[in-house]
Amino acid sequence: KAGVTQTPRYLIKTRGQQVTLSCSPISGHRSVSWYQQTPGQGLQFLFEYFSETQRNKGNFPGRFSGRQFSNSRSEMNVSTLELGDSALYLCASSSQGYEQFFGPGTRLTVL
Amino acid sequence: GQQVMQIPQYQHVQEGEDFTTYCNSSTTLSNIQWYKQRPGGHPVFLIQLVKSGEVKKQKRLTFQFGEAKKNSSLHITATQTTDVGTYFCGGSGNTGKLIFGQGTTLQVKP
Repeated sequence: KAGVTQTPRYLIKTRGQQVTLSCSPISGHRSVSWYQQTPGQGLQFLFEYFSETQRNKGNFPGRFSGRQFSNSRSEMNVSTLELGDSALYLCASSSQGYEQFFGPGTRLTVL
Repeated sequence: GQQVMQIPQYQHVQEGEDFTTYCNSSTTLSNIQWYKQRPGGHPVFLIQLVKSGEVKKQKRLTFQFGEAKKNSSLHITATQTTDVGTYFCGGSGNTGKLIFGQGTTLQVKP
């Protein structure tokens, strides 16, 4: 089976812009979670989608949003980018809420 | 809300020494998972613990889940350079949300 794929792998934006990140889960996996990883902060949970519905949400401002499509692919959007949004954004898919399979991540740099 | 703390944040050991990282949750967990992230890579699943007091072994790695299901530990015996990376614990409560600790970064000197 193909693994979790994320596009783009690298992104450079300026403050105030918005960005959309994409995640394609492993075939058959209906749950997709998003995490923000920064040095020293570990993996901060953003949200989880299951069958096109947001099932769980972390403690991030409303500028961070996501959605899931009928084919389980998911997108994450960040509006009005801030310098502090620079991070590695990881998505992970899972089946039955068991182990998470992580993608390679999208490295976002905000200038 | 649910918080997961992990200590230490960093650990440097000489090859052959043992290593332990500890994970503590503010709430009782349904299960706990452990992941390893190699430098430049993404987290990879190691194991899931579900039962109170559960102990599981994978070669030189020993995982424990506390009796109260609020803490866990990962112990590596006789570290090797291939053990280098960041180890994360992630706990799920009754919401099903998987919350990770900050991770412990292990450096092994040959």
